[in-house]
Amino acid sequence: AQSVTQLDSQVPVFEEAPVELRCNYSSSVSVYLFWYVQYPNQGLQLLLKYLSGSTLVKGINGFEAEFNKSKTSFHLRKPSVHISDTAEYFCAVSDRSQNTDKLIFGTGTRLQVFP
Amino acid sequence: GAVVSQHPSRVICKSGTSVKIECRSLDFQATTMFWYRQFPKQSLMLMATSNEGSKATYEQGVEKDKFLINHASLTLSTLTVTSAHPEDSSFYICSAIQGVNEQFFGPGTRLTVL
Repeated sequence: AQSVTQLDSQVPVFEEAPVELRCNYSSSVSVYLFWYVQYPNQGLQLLLKYLSGSTLVKGINGFEAEFNKSKTSFHLRKPSVHISDTAEYFCAVSDRSQNTDKLIFGTGTRLQVFP
Repeated sequence: GAVVSQHPSRVICKSGTSVKIECRSLDFQATTMFWYRQFPKQSLMLMATSNEGSKATYEQGVEKDKFLINHASLTLSTLTVTSAHPEDSSFYICSAIQGVNEQFFGPGTRLTVL
């Protein structure tokens, strides 16, 4: 079964600094990969997704992620964070071989941006 | 963009009562919706897949008699927590599929069982 690992439960960073949130998934023939953001007491908002094609994916709010098949990773990056980026970030994977839209989520990374 | 709503946003009930949560796709039709449960500071756990016009598919370990799902139309799925107990207190989130490989999530429902 597919699984997703987010190595950092919390990432503290100062405003305007770069950040990387790490995500690894278990090996599979082919997957779709997603990053979602969740603000307190709210649902999830899609930041970006990788379905196929270019391994560098650009999303909303200045975020981007790079799909690395050999390392089974899909790390999320932003060159300069804002206070408003403080939130919980979830990496998720959908196994294409299962022909289903089910998402398997990682445990989440709490990004805390300090002034 | 696609919008998914949930109602209510918060509900407090007494132990033993049943609670219904609605999930609506406001500007699109969704043949498939998902229900998730999220405990404090934890990830989302898929509970079930709700399919319009057919029975829901439950994930392993989820009691289908406890969590009743009805997908009566292409824009509405409901989750009923029957005979709720304090351990059912959680944040319940639904999502709806639009297009290819994209789930749109509702804002969630905070259930507190006293």
